[in-house]
Amino acid sequence: EIVLTQSPATLSLSPGERATLFCRASQSVRGYLAWYQQKPGQAPRLLLYDASNRATGIPARFSGSGSGTDFTLTISSLEPEDFAVYYCQQNSNSFGQGTKVEIK
Amino acid sequence: EVQLVESGGGLVQPGGSLRLSCAASGFTFSNYWMHWVRQAPGKGLVWVSRIDYDGSSANYADSVKGRFTISRDNAKNTLYLQMTSLGAEDTAVYYCARHPYEILTGYDFWGQGTLVTVSS
Repeated sequence: EIVLTQSPATLSLSPGERATLFCRASQSVRGYLAWYQQKPGQAPRLLLYDASNRATGIPARFSGSGSGTDFTLTISSLEPEDFAVYYCQQNSNSFGQGTKVEIK
Repeated sequence: EVQLVESGGGLVQPGGSLRLSCAASGFTFSNYWMHWVRQAPGKGLVWVSRIDYDGSSANYADSVKGRFTISRDNAKNTLYLQMTSLGAEDTAVYYCARHPYEILTGYDFWGQGTLVTVSS
């Protein structure tokens, strides 16, 4: 079973700052990785699929990179609506434990 | 407009059973793999199960294997999750989600979720 480990658990930043979130797989998942955003009381929303492709309607400030075991989600300049929990997912099954991006 | 609407959640006693439904609209349901994902209160997302286009193939998380059964009725555009031998650890919001064939990894639409509470 492939385990995804996200870091940090919490990221405290101010609007306008750059956010960098990490997801590490216990073994290679090639490029089979997705990123989601979830706000309280809402279903998750797909941000990036296949490691680096933005989903429909996702702003360009969200970008993804990586392959194999190490992946990164970058939010270039945080908007107020970006404060949420972010999850990575491998191969359309298991998820990481999440990173909360909170307002500093 | 793509919509996924879950139903069937509620309070059930330990050891009981429940069947969840996910009604799909706004797209050709039979063209998509479908998944169930759950989220315990205050916790993260956990993949539960997936089913292929015509229901001929299904996979399950180890935690539900042998207790949960995923199925679909393409004529009714509906996905199901039959849950048996429920325990407190199954308490969660259950989401259905769509997996587009052109994407290797990612669910592009999710339902709003239905809450299952297992308690005496």
